[in-house]
Amino acid sequence: GAVVSQHPSRVICKSGTSVKIECRSLDFQATTMFWYRQFPKKSLMLMATSNEGSKATYEQGVEKDKFLINHASLTLSTLTVTSAHPEDSSFYICSALGQLQETQYFGPGTRLLVL
Amino acid sequence: AQSVAQPEDQVNVAEGNPLTVKCTYSVSGNPYLFWYVQYPNRGLQFLLKYITGDNLVKGSYGFEAEFNKSQTSFHLKKPSALVSDSALYFCAVRDDSGAGSYQLTFGKGTKLSVIP
Repeated sequence: GAVVSQHPSRVICKSGTSVKIECRSLDFQATTMFWYRQFPKKSLMLMATSNEGSKATYEQGVEKDKFLINHASLTLSTLTVTSAHPEDSSFYICSALGQLQETQYFGPGTRLLVL
Repeated sequence: AQSVAQPEDQVNVAEGNPLTVKCTYSVSGNPYLFWYVQYPNRGLQFLLKYITGDNLVKGSYGFEAEFNKSQTSFHLKKPSALVSDSALYFCAVRDDSGAGSYQLTFGKGTKLSVIP
């Protein structure tokens, strides 16, 4: 139980285009999901908290107009990187808060490369 | 504010020997403590957690951790290391102060290398 998927696992795009990453909780409902960014050999940086049916809460320094988050259902949150630039290249990981509201379960991550 | 310290960037241990990965934390309320493992180019896998109850918590793959309130520590342990345990380990904490935020604060990670 408590499986979280992400799609795509890898994406390469041209600078200036937009990329959408999906995060799904496969066997449980998640009112709260999180989006992280991880740089090589570094810890996770929380980008935003996504709540079903309401606006996401962004961490300081994260541009909400660049990183669009939509949490339209209890099993799906999406992160759209708009007008991507090479500096947006990174490993993006989502997590979903389990139904006991205790444990975050993580997706396998999405590797984004912007050329 | 909450924080987590993993004092070792890397831990090397011989296969079959016991391993310990250290973690200390700071929170204002009661801590919720977690250990996750990350393999290369993968997301984080949940290993175990301490919420309340027994200080010794057992988790996946033979791992366990001991909550020590006086030392504000939550070290990860395994009696006999396997080569397949080689990975990046993250300790994380959440403050259950009732503020409604479920955000985790992560340590910087400890790379575990188990030598055959």
